[in-house]
Amino acid sequence: QSALTQTASVSGSPGQSITISCTGTNNDIGGYKYVSWYQKYPGKAPKLIIYDVSNRPSGVPNRFSGSKSDNTASLTISGLQAEDEADYYCSSYSSTTTLVLFGGGTKLTVL
Amino acid sequence: QLQLQESGPGLVKPWETLSLTCTVSGGSVDTSSYYWGWIRQPPGKGLEWVGHIYHSGSSYYNPSLKSRLTISVDTSKNQFSLRLNSVTAADTAIYYCARQGLIAVTVDLWGQGTLVTVSS
Repeated sequence: QSALTQTASVSGSPGQSITISCTGTNNDIGGYKYVSWYQKYPGKAPKLIIYDVSNRPSGVPNRFSGSKSDNTASLTISGLQAEDEADYYCSSYSSTTTLVLFGGGTKLTVL
Repeated sequence: QLQLQESGPGLVKPWETLSLTCTVSGGSVDTSSYYWGWIRQPPGKGLEWVGHIYHSGSSYYNPSLKSRLTISVDTSKNQFSLRLNSVTAADTAIYYCARQGLIAVTVDLWGQGTLVTVSS
């Protein structure tokens, strides 16, 4: 069982918007602005798409956005495209001895 | 452009030691700006932070692995390494080496990953 809780799967049609949530505790998501999101295609390494809750690395489309409220972080993808079909993982710094936490991943299907 | 490349055996016997090395190219591991870490993904499961190390040798381990784990850095070879003792089938995973930020420990760069299978 992963330390951060994500919905196992989500789906949407091209052009629609979807939101993936990630729930933690006051020791991680709720206590710090150090949430990141990764996009992972099968057989490929993860790619950072959001860091520090809502910042996008250079080259990541602005269709991807992140936010946080209390102990829950969210990734929103607007204007869904077929190429967005992938697994998405959240991650957070933790003040416990397990310094880095990951969610179990959410499989996004573009219908 | 900095790149990370894992290397090591793809098959390890139960109760033996899993050893992997990450070679850093296009940049230096001897930097005060980043940590160098390992993340793994067991088949069909999510990502798990294994641990990370600073260029000075200060290391941080996942408590669930700490008793079996050693992460080291060799600045002369521009490499860092992972050793996991007494492995079992539960250690079968794709192991990624990674670069992590200092404050948020965000992984901003990943190696391609290497599958390590624990089996006799």
